[in-house]
Amino acid sequence: EDQVTQSPEALRLQEGESSSLNCSYTVSGLRGLFWYRQDPGKGPEFLFTLYSAGEEKEKERLKATLTKKESFLHITAPKPEDSATYLCALQTGANNLFFGTGTRLTVIP
Amino acid sequence: KAGVTQTPRYLIKTRGQQVTLSCSPISGHRSVSWYQQTPGQGLQFLFEYFSETQRNKGNFPGRFSGRQFSNSRSEMNVSTLELGDSALYLCASSVRTGSHEQYFGPGTRLTVT
Repeated sequence: EDQVTQSPEALRLQEGESSSLNCSYTVSGLRGLFWYRQDPGKGPEFLFTLYSAGEEKEKERLKATLTKKESFLHITAPKPEDSATYLCALQTGANNLFFGTGTRLTVIP
Repeated sequence: KAGVTQTPRYLIKTRGQQVTLSCSPISGHRSVSWYQQTPGQGLQFLFEYFSETQRNKGNFPGRFSGRQFSNSRSEMNVSTLELGDSALYLCASSVRTGSHEQYFGPGTRLTVT
């Protein structure tokens, strides 16, 4: 059975304090792993797609990496505007996204 | 380029009624997927439409249905509403079906009383 687990559930950081969010998964046939950011009351905003182990993608203060069992979203020197819920999702043999429950990030000025 | 639009943004219905939600994808996108988001279950896949055909379906009862029109706009219908159907319904569009980035709309907040 396909599973995706995100940790921690919630994370509070001081502005400038770097950290990482984890997305671990078990899946038969990974076609892609996606990271999204969701602000309260809004739809998820696409951040990254990773397709194979060893792949890395960067965007501003965010960097996503992928291994055969997990993905990390590294946040370097976060700012308050980075506060959001970060979701990872798997795309398997079927053409739908299977989402984790997310990590709620709060960055304190 | 305009993003994904969903109407209405908020809706209050009574148990037993039915509801239709609408989604207009990004111009040029032909695949539309629907998701239900609740605090307890998170984001769950409902179904995907591509070229007016349902390509994939999640594990939801038959009360949930959808369709796609020739202009790629999509509608989702829920019949015989239950209290547990209260949720944020999100639609996402992508260029085509398969392993591609999906772009989400703002969602329709449905409250069933």
